[in-house]
Amino acid sequence: DAGVIQSPRHEVTEMGQEVTLRCKPISGHNSLFWYRQTMMRGLELLIYFNNNVPIDDSGMPEDRFSAKMPNASFSTLKIQPSEPRDSAVYFCASSEIPVPTDTQYFGPGTRLTVL
Amino acid sequence: AQKVTQAQTEISVVEKEDVTLDCVYETRDTTYYLFWYKQPPSGELVFLIRRNSFDEQNEISGRYSWNFQKSTSSFNFTITASQVVDSAVYFCALSEADKLVFGAGTILRVKS
Repeated sequence: DAGVIQSPRHEVTEMGQEVTLRCKPISGHNSLFWYRQTMMRGLELLIYFNNNVPIDDSGMPEDRFSAKMPNASFSTLKIQPSEPRDSAVYFCASSEIPVPTDTQYFGPGTRLTVL
Repeated sequence: AQKVTQAQTEISVVEKEDVTLDCVYETRDTTYYLFWYKQPPSGELVFLIRRNSFDEQNEISGRYSWNFQKSTSSFNFTITASQVVDSAVYFCALSEADKLVFGAGTILRVKS
């Protein structure tokens, strides 16, 4: 079975540009999570969805960040406009049962560099 | 608030040595789950184990073993006979009702 799929794997953009990161969760999984990993702050939860509905977006840094999950097999994380401090690795994860205590399986991550 | 502490920032061992990675957590809940993930140099996060707060039995999987002690709020991870391929960052994580919180990670370097 395919794991969590993320695209692109690497993204380099200039400050001010819009960036869209994509995620396809494991088929049959009902929860989807977006994390950001930086050296300074480690792994941080940005937002998570249960059954395509956003449940907790308290980790989203600011209004420049938005996330959507239009259906059970696709989610996007958008940054507009991007800033150099947004440079990080962004992970998407999914779990079968819609509770945070279930095992989360992570995608390979998207390494974002904002110049 | 829940908290996970991995006091060892970096550990270096020589191949075939045993190594233990420490994890101490704080929580007010009686029901919670603990996890370990591995992040190899390629960058992905690989799930290793999930343990609930009511199951204090130690777990062994091949060269990996985990020691869960509620009395000391610890969930330590031991690799027996380490190999170069074990070189990675290892994260301990705690989940209560609302979210999964990760420790800062321990970098393990296994030298041949």
